[in-house]
Amino acid sequence: GESVGLHLPTLSVQEGDNSIINCAYSNSASDYFIWYKQESGKGPQFIIDIRSNMDKRQGQRVTVLLNKTVKHLSLQIAATQPGDSAVYFCAERKQAGTALIFGKGTTLSVSS
Amino acid sequence: KAGVTQTPRYLIKTRGQQVTLSCSPISGHRSVSWYQQTPGQGLQFLFEYFSETQRNKGNFPGRFSGRQFSNSRSEMNVSTLELGDSALYLCASSSTGGSGNTIYFGEGSWLTVV
Repeated sequence: GESVGLHLPTLSVQEGDNSIINCAYSNSASDYFIWYKQESGKGPQFIIDIRSNMDKRQGQRVTVLLNKTVKHLSLQIAATQPGDSAVYFCAERKQAGTALIFGKGTTLSVSS
Repeated sequence: KAGVTQTPRYLIKTRGQQVTLSCSPISGHRSVSWYQQTPGQGLQFLFEYFSETQRNKGNFPGRFSGRQFSNSRSEMNVSTLELGDSALYLCASSSTGGSGNTIYFGEGSWLTVV
């Protein structure tokens, strides 16, 4: 079926390192992609988004890369901090509506 | 600007009962969608409302229903609760729900069915 998935369920990094979280999607019709961060006991927090007509978008300490050729999405976090520890989800949205399809999430653990 | 507000935050219900969850979207947002999050199934789309009309619906049984009011506030209802309905129910809002509109989530309502 059509789904958004993540390559690794967990990722452990040292404080100050750069983190890269990957995601593969299967629906070439999706036109909008979002990364969310979810801390324990909280709802998903919007990090950054990108539309299908873009390859790269930068935010504060975060960069999202979209490779439509291989249907791959990645989130890069620069100078990772302990406060970045959380579960990260990628999500895609098809053109037809607003339903987001989520991947299973990657748990990022940052040790100081 | 206040974010998406969900009430109640935590609740415990008994099998067979029904439950109503409430969501107030970000001011000015007219699209409200609901998601269920469980450890096994992850985040799954329930339904989306815009201007008091259900615009999209996920693959959930008819026991799950919702509505939206004229002020964009939304409620979802689950009838005849089952143990498997235990989950975090998340509400999200966006301005129009159109392509490219950022979708913001609330903190969720934790439902435990015993």
